[in-house]
Amino acid sequence: ETGVTQSPTHLIKTRGQQVTLRCSSQSGHNTVSWYQQALGQGPQFIFQYYREEENGRGNFPPRFSGLQFPNYSSELNVNALELDDSALYLCASSFRRGAGIDTQYFGPGTRLTVL
Amino acid sequence: AQTVTQSQPEMSVQEAETVTLSCTYDTSENNYYLFWYKQPPSRQMILVIRQEAYKQQNATENRFSVNFQKAAKSFSLKISDSQLGDTAMYFCAFMINSGYALNFGKGTSLLVTP
Repeated sequence: ETGVTQSPTHLIKTRGQQVTLRCSSQSGHNTVSWYQQALGQGPQFIFQYYREEENGRGNFPPRFSGLQFPNYSSELNVNALELDDSALYLCASSFRRGAGIDTQYFGPGTRLTVL
Repeated sequence: AQTVTQSQPEMSVQEAETVTLSCTYDTSENNYYLFWYKQPPSRQMILVIRQEAYKQQNATENRFSVNFQKAAKSFSLKISDSQLGDTAMYFCAFMINSGYALNFGKGTSLLVTP
């Protein structure tokens, strides 16, 4: 069974640039969630994708956007980068089966530094 | 809104000893789930244990167990026979039954010493 993978591992951008982060979900999973983890903080929910559509969103501006592909992998795009966007970005996958909730399994994260 | 509070920023325990990490939460929901995740220095978040609020029995997973007090909105994690590999940040998290987002606390940094 393949776990959640993310790429790249590290990324350095400058203010105003755009960035794309990628996530491959765990084998058998159909849902992907993205979280932002600032240094010394717990992860904050950005959004979730299910069946290639955004299923829910946290308190993040529209310049944070995403995609989910037919193979359930996902991208997180951030436009007009700001210094405060520097963080560890975590992807989590799960299997939605209807009732109840689905345990989320995390990838290793992408460390984004905005200069 | 749901909030999760971990009041112990850092803790230390000796190998083979037992340690308890505290977590409290605030919600008006009745059906929800609670989790403990572990994030070692290598940073991959790993699920430690999960508890359904409708279950009265406390969840256990090998050396890890929880003390779930629904009325007090408390969800503590007990680690027995601590091992050096237990050194990590531990996050308490909450999700409502119809939800999709995990709400995390700020974490407790646990150091296991020889």
